[in-house]
Amino acid sequence: EVQLVESGGGLVKPGESLRLSCAASGFTFSGYSMNWVRQAPGKGLEWVSSISSSSSHIYYADSVKGRFTISRDNAKNSLYLQINSLRAEDTAVYYCAREGYDYSFDHWGQGTLVTVSS
Amino acid sequence: QSALTQPRSVSGSPGQSVTISCTGTSSDVGGYNYVSWYQQHPGKAPKLMIYDVSKRPSGVPDRFSGSKSGNTASLTISGLPAEDEADYYCCSYAGSYTWVFGGGTKLAVL
Repeated sequence: EVQLVESGGGLVKPGESLRLSCAASGFTFSGYSMNWVRQAPGKGLEWVSSISSSSSHIYYADSVKGRFTISRDNAKNSLYLQINSLRAEDTAVYYCAREGYDYSFDHWGQGTLVTVSS
Repeated sequence: QSALTQPRSVSGSPGQSVTISCTGTSSDVGGYNYVSWYQQHPGKAPKLMIYDVSKRPSGVPDRFSGSKSGNTASLTISGLPAEDEADYYCCSYAGSYTWVFGGGTKLAVL
């Protein structure tokens, strides 16, 4: 069974940094591109970042470019998201999602909540 | 990237059919046959229901169907059971390994 488990969220102050993690199991992690998608409270989904299976290709939404860094460790079956200079508008549940069939997200974690507030 | 446009809410009675629209541009929905749909129950993670405009992953009931015409994609749910009451999001590949989601539609089964 495919499992994705996020961790690392919490309450942080504006300007601080945070590193989110996603532990994968139940599939060959090194064979798939992975993504981060976020959802602000009461709002819709927003694609944040994508990383290819070998980390050779990395992409970001314009809204996070320059502050967010996606990475992965295939030996540890783990995906990461480093978030710097946090802003109130970064408050959201952050989901990791596997890119499966043809540019769709076929498996999602349960999410980790990041709250940015002074 | 601007979010795709979905109605904020739709409703239907048990057993009826409902259709949710998703309008984008020629740079996303109209430019690629990579539209997907996700179901999200309150407090839960999204679940893939449709990919490649109209394909269903294994395990998704055949009452869910998708289509696309021009810059607008649609999700139709037939024979509504109460358990389908949830939020639904469309998503389109937008080129250069970027994606755009719709704002979400709340489906009420009355």
